[in-house]
Amino acid sequence: AQRVTQPEKLLSVFKGAPVELKCNYSYSGSPELFWYVQYSRQRLQLLLRHISRESIKGFTADLNKGETSFHLKKPFAQEEDSAMYYCALQTGANNLFFGTGTRLTVIP
Amino acid sequence: DTGVSQDPRHKITKRGQNVTFRCDPISEHNRLYWYRQTLGQGPEFLTYFQNEAQLEKSRLLSDRFSAERPKGSFSTLEIQRTEQGDSAMYLCASSPRDSNYTFGSGTRLTVV
Repeated sequence: AQRVTQPEKLLSVFKGAPVELKCNYSYSGSPELFWYVQYSRQRLQLLLRHISRESIKGFTADLNKGETSFHLKKPFAQEEDSAMYYCALQTGANNLFFGTGTRLTVIP
Repeated sequence: DTGVSQDPRHKITKRGQNVTFRCDPISEHNRLYWYRQTLGQGPEFLTYFQNEAQLEKSRLLSDRFSAERPKGSFSTLEIQRTEQGDSAMYLCASSPRDSNYTFGSGTRLTVV
């Protein structure tokens, strides 16, 4: 069965500090992984997907199949990064399995 | 077309009543999804349409739930005989072929 685990419900970092939001997955097939973000009073939106291998708003995420992880990283956190972050796994069935989310707070 | 629209934004209903939500996807997106999100959880998949065909339903979608997309455009999600456990945010999303989802703002249902 598919599973996405985000071990931290809350994460606080100081502005300018590095940030890492953890995501581990369980899936027997070939995974496709995403990070979605929800800013205050806004709708859920795609931040990045692993197959794109791009950096969005300074965030990157690398798929590590050996550790079954897809951690989200940013070297220098900004106040505007404060939001709810969800890791999601897409199976071949074309639907997304979401983790429970991590609320990131960047302290000025 | 400004994105995925959902109506209403909020709905309060008494237990046992029926409710219907509407989703208008981005017009060129042929795929439409419904998700449910309860407090402290991530969104959970409910059902998926490709054009007018409902191709997948989650086991979360009990017999009291039904979804339609009659002309492959807007979709409705109906819950019959609502229960307090149905209280949640109901999210709609649409995507083109490559599954790059765009979510709506959601309908928050409160069953009292």
